[in-house]
Amino acid sequence: AQSVTQLDSHVSVSEGTPVLLRCNYSSSYSPSLFWYVQHPNKGLQLLLKYTSAATLVKGINGFEAEFKKSETSFHLTKPSAHMSDAAEYFCVVSDLNDMRFGAGTRLTVKP
Amino acid sequence: DAGVTQSPTHLIKTRGQQVTLRCSPKSGHDTVSWYQQALGQGPQFIFQYYEEEERQRGNFPDRFSGHQFPNYSSELNVNALLLGDSALYLCASSSSGAGPGYEQYFGPGTRLTVT
Repeated sequence: AQSVTQLDSHVSVSEGTPVLLRCNYSSSYSPSLFWYVQHPNKGLQLLLKYTSAATLVKGINGFEAEFKKSETSFHLTKPSAHMSDAAEYFCVVSDLNDMRFGAGTRLTVKP
Repeated sequence: DAGVTQSPTHLIKTRGQQVTLRCSPKSGHDTVSWYQQALGQGPQFIFQYYEEEERQRGNFPDRFSGHQFPNYSSELNVNALLLGDSALYLCASSSSGAGPGYEQYFGPGTRLTVT
């Protein structure tokens, strides 16, 4: 069985400062990992994905994530937060048969 | 190119009633998955349809059923509604040929409220 743990339910940063959203996973296989973002009253949008290629994955809107197998982590980062980044972020682990979402991290960006 | 579309956007039902939600996948996609997202939680997988058959199912009771049509669109049916069924229902589409770690494209969801 696979699972995902997002270590922070809420993260608050100031505009222009770095963002770190933490995710640990558990999987019996070599998993695929994703980060999705959900803005209020909107559907989920894919930010980036890892599928056993480069361990540092670059996504849209300046986000990137690093796959660390030894730490079973897939943390999401961005060098400089923008007000428009305020949203709910979900870390997802997937194999061919199952897709598991974390509980989500709400990112607040202060002016 | 239209993305994933869902209808209706909002729905209010009474406990015990039945409801049908609809989803049209992104152009070129043949696989549809349904998720339930309760308030303040991450989406939970209900089931996936491919070639008009249920291919996988999450931990949901038989009150939740679905259908996929030849044009790949899909319906989610929920019978005997409970208050706890109130949630955002998300549809996601993908391509069966996408390979391991397929990415899914999500619709905006249907907000179901059961009173």
